[in-house]
Amino acid sequence: NAGVTQTPKFQVLKTGQSMTLQCAQDMNHEYMSWYRQDPGMGLRLIHYSVGAGITDQGEVPNGYNVSRSTTEDFPLRLLSAAPSQTSVYFCASSYLSAGLETQYFGPGTRLLVL
Amino acid sequence: AQTVTQSQPEMSVQEAETVTLSCTYDTSESDYYLFWYKQPPSRQMILVIRQEAYKQQNATENRFSVNFQKAAKSFSLKISDSQLGDAAMYFCAYSRPRASGTYKYIFGTGTRLKVLA
Repeated sequence: NAGVTQTPKFQVLKTGQSMTLQCAQDMNHEYMSWYRQDPGMGLRLIHYSVGAGITDQGEVPNGYNVSRSTTEDFPLRLLSAAPSQTSVYFCASSYLSAGLETQYFGPGTRLLVL
Repeated sequence: AQTVTQSQPEMSVQEAETVTLSCTYDTSESDYYLFWYKQPPSRQMILVIRQEAYKQQNATENRFSVNFQKAAKSFSLKISDSQLGDAAMYFCAYSRPRASGTYKYIFGTGTRLKVLA
């Protein structure tokens, strides 16, 4: 199993450009999430999904869109990038077993918006 | 609202020595879980240890153990026999069930651990 994969590893955007961060998992996990990590702060939840076709907002959803058409994929779209979206983005997938959720993280995508 | 506080931005430990990283949290929930994640320079988030709030016994994973004080809302991580590979950023995290069935996670700001040879 590849686990959770993210592409690209690093991206530079200009203000106003759009792009999609890709996330895929091959563990058949129901739940997937997107976080951002900024210096001096912990990970903050952007959006999450509890299954194909079902998404919801997290703590910092503004400026981001998501969709979940398949169990495997959970792309994050930036419609009009802003310098405030410069960050490291982590995708995670998780499953429930005996009432406990185990979360697996991807390697992250570093995004720089100029 | 739940919060997670890590008051030590940076810690150092001599190789083979023991170090304790602190974490406090605030919640009014009774059903929750606590985690320590390690983030090495590769940026990969790695689960180190987790604790179910309903369990009184402190979790242990090899050289890693926790001191879970539920009444004090404290969850510290002890690393014994520190190794150079333990050098990383460590994040404390809290999670509780959502109505949708999954869990909401809240992360602390992290403690950078340096291991001195």
